[in-house]
Amino acid sequence: GAGVSQSPSNKVTEKGKDVELRCDPISGHTALYWYRQSLGQGLEFLIYFQGNSAPDKSGLPSDRFSAERTGGSVSTLTIQRTQQEDSAVYLCASSLVATPSNTIYFGEGSWLTVV
Amino acid sequence: ILNVEQSPQSLHVQEGDSTNFTCSFPSSNFYALHWYRWETAKSPEALFVMTLNGDEKKKGRISATLNTKEGYSYLYIKGSQPEDSATYLCASLYGNNRLAFGKGNQVVVIP
Repeated sequence: GAGVSQSPSNKVTEKGKDVELRCDPISGHTALYWYRQSLGQGLEFLIYFQGNSAPDKSGLPSDRFSAERTGGSVSTLTIQRTQQEDSAVYLCASSLVATPSNTIYFGEGSWLTVV
Repeated sequence: ILNVEQSPQSLHVQEGDSTNFTCSFPSSNFYALHWYRWETAKSPEALFVMTLNGDEKKKGRISATLNTKEGYSYLYIKGSQPEDSATYLCASLYGNNRLAFGKGNQVVVIP
């Protein structure tokens, strides 16, 4: 079946502009995650959605970052007033349910460059 | 946030040779340990999810072991092939819903 789908694959934006990154999780997966990897760093947790529960936003680096998940499926990560330090690959992932033994599947990422 | 460390950061391996690398993580409040293989321009591919102390898992020529008491996991590649060239990521699950990743082991297999 189809994996986790992300768009756009690549985005170059000017400093100060807003960007939206989209994620289509695997059908039927109730848990959805956003991570990012900046140059030279490991993957960093941003936000987690589980079904209709309130999301865990504890990883969002600033209030310029927000995310929503509509209808328990598609998610959008929005970065307002982008800064150069926001340049990174943003990875979305999903899993059937959020239990320790479940595999978490990642998309190919959205590569964001802020110039 | 958990501190997950991987070593060595990068390594070159001759085709046909076997190799291994280490992931260390805090042993307290352990939930699960994930291994991924990440090739350039592709999505990270899930290799293993391990939860029990002493777990050993195998997928083809790649295998992994887990020691939750001392907080480490080993990943082994037997008879390395050029297609094994990738970055291998380990991640420890914490808070039951988020992964703390190491910076990866970058492997280059030399034909």
